[in-house]
Amino acid sequence: AQSVAQPEDQVNVAEGNPLTVKCTYSVSGNPYLFWYVQYPNRGLQFLLKYITGDNLVKGSYGFEAEFNKSQTSFHLKKPSALVSDSALYFCAVRDIPFNDYKLSFGAGTTVTVRA
Amino acid sequence: DADVTQTPRNRITKTGKRIMLECSQTKGHDRMYWYRQDPGLGLQLIYYSFDVKDINKGEISDGYSVSRQAQAKFSLSLESAIPNQTALYFCATSEVTGELFFGEGSRLTVL
Repeated sequence: AQSVAQPEDQVNVAEGNPLTVKCTYSVSGNPYLFWYVQYPNRGLQFLLKYITGDNLVKGSYGFEAEFNKSQTSFHLKKPSALVSDSALYFCAVRDIPFNDYKLSFGAGTTVTVRA
Repeated sequence: DADVTQTPRNRITKTGKRIMLECSQTKGHDRMYWYRQDPGLGLQLIYYSFDVKDINKGEISDGYSVSRQAQAKFSLSLESAIPNQTALYFCATSEVTGELFFGEGSRLTVL
């Protein structure tokens, strides 16, 4: 079975500081990994994905994530956080080829960036 | 215009009423999904469809039904709404194994 864990419900950082949002996963096959961001009263917006290839993936709004197979992690990072990065972040995984239809989501991490 | 459009955006109804949430997309994707979001639980898959003739149950399909009227349209129905179906509902589309594209959500309150 596939699953995703986001161990931190909340992350608080000061503007200009590095931001990290943690994600670990469990799959039977190969993981396709995704990060989404949700602003208040909005739908989820795609940030980045790992399918194969380079372990460091770059995405929208200056975010990047590093796939670590040995630690089964896919942490989201931004070198210098902005107040506008304050939102709810979701990690998600597909278990290929066992569950190619289903994207399983973590519970979400609320990021607050203070000015 | 949004690529994935959901209507209504907000709905308040009473226990026992039938409710339909509608979704239409201009992405041209064959795969469509309905998810439910509850605080602290992430998103849970209700139903998914790979094409007009293909409908599949997700993790939490009890109390829900769907209809895929066309490639671009996928509606979710609650035949007899109950209070624990109060949630934020999202429609999404995707290519075969790619990322999901979400609508803006439909907030349903069942009194």
